[in-house]
Amino acid sequence: NAGVTQTPKFRILKIGQSMTLQCAQDMNHNYMYWYRQDPGMGLKLIYYSVGAGITDKGEVPNGYNVSRSTTEDFPLRLELAAPSQTSVYFCASSKGGQGGGYTFGSGTRLTVV
Amino acid sequence: AQSVTQPDIHITVSEGASLELRCNYSYGATPYLFWYVQSPGQGLQLLLKYFSGDTLVQGIKGFEAEFKRSQSSFNLRKPSVHWSDAAEYFCAVGTYNQGGKLIFGQGTELSVKP
Repeated sequence: NAGVTQTPKFRILKIGQSMTLQCAQDMNHNYMYWYRQDPGMGLKLIYYSVGAGITDKGEVPNGYNVSRSTTEDFPLRLELAAPSQTSVYFCASSKGGQGGGYTFGSGTRLTVV
Repeated sequence: AQSVTQPDIHITVSEGASLELRCNYSYGATPYLFWYVQSPGQGLQLLLKYFSGDTLVQGIKGFEAEFKRSQSSFNLRKPSVHWSDAAEYFCAVGTYNQGGKLIFGQGTELSVKP
């Protein structure tokens, strides 16, 4: 099982550029999440989805967009990249309910210069 | 609002010594509680979780945690630390009816002295 796969692992963007962080899971999980991790700040929720076609904002959604057209994929779009978006991004999935417990991808380290 | 506090940013213990990492949460209903570990450059791995029942839960790698409702705490323990336990540890609180979202603490970095 691949679990949760994130691509790319590393990326450098210039200010104002756009990009899509890819996330795919093969566990048939309905719930998927995007977090960003900054030093000393823990993980902050950007967006989440409880199923195909359903997405909702988390704690820090500004500057990002998501879509969920299939159960497997949950891409995160950055429009007009800013230095404040320099971070490590993690995608996670869950069965939801009392299944609890996320499965995390290995992360994407993004630097905006 | 839900929140999770890990009071210790960095802890150093000697190999073979016992370990306790503290976690306090704020949540109005019965929480679901988790501990995750993150090795450098890696994603997060689930150590253990508490949903209900026995307040002492066992996890992987010899870790355990105890849920104390009266203290709003869910501290992580290990009787004897190994050098490979050096990592960052995150406590998280979750809910059943809010899309399964988890709120994470700031993390505690564990260093192990030989």
